Amino acid sequence: TQLLEQSPQFLSIQEGENLTVYCNSSSVFSSLQWYRQEPGEGPVLLVTVVTGGEVKKLKRLTFQFGDARKDSSLHITAAQPGDTGLYLCAGDRGGNTPLVFGKGTRLSVIA
Amino acid sequence: NAGVTQTPKFRVLKTGQSMTLLCAQDMNHEYMYWYRQDPGMGLRLIHYSVGEGTTAKGEVPDGYNVSRLKKQNFLLGLESAAPSQTSVYFCASMRGPYGYTFGSGTRLTVV
Repeated sequence: TQLLEQSPQFLSIQEGENLTVYCNSSSVFSSLQWYRQEPGEGPVLLVTVVTGGEVKKLKRLTFQFGDARKDSSLHITAAQPGDTGLYLCAGDRGGNTPLVFGKGTRLSVIA
Repeated sequence: NAGVTQTPKFRVLKTGQSMTLLCAQDMNHEYMYWYRQDPGMGLRLIHYSVGEGTTAKGEVPDGYNVSRLKKQNFLLGLESAAPSQTSVYFCASMRGPYGYTFGSGTRLTVV
């Protein structure tokens, strides 16, 4: 059973469109992180959300942590080809346990 | 540049051969992790370490061994490689709640 479910698995959109990626779980996390991975590279941390209901913005990317700290979303406004990559969410269960990763959403933005 | 360095970047092994993957970090991080990434499977934790001299099993530890003799290094060993171990291997390190820093990966093919 996958602890963190990401949807959609794949997304192909035109430059300038908006999109939302979801990360859902039945478990509560002390924090949730989003990473972006480009081909041939390791994942790179984008943001960490800690408080239920928290919203963080990173330029055209908006991250939200659910009120119950079980889910999160990533919204991209006016997507650019440079946004292309694999987006991974990861949940922290606390107690020094390793992060739990979702399987990722592969985004392709076409110019 | 500070970060996580993985060597080698690419390797082809014959079934039954052994090898060691090296992960080195210069950020004085306590926690280090080894993951494998396969299409459709996401990142799966192999082994991890919460400090020098300590190791623990992750989700898919069979066929792998690890050692953390020095704080900055985390070694992943394959004693008798199998085709099922063909994958991309990522090392990561972490200090506190600041997210993981990943290396750029080792692409291993076992023939």
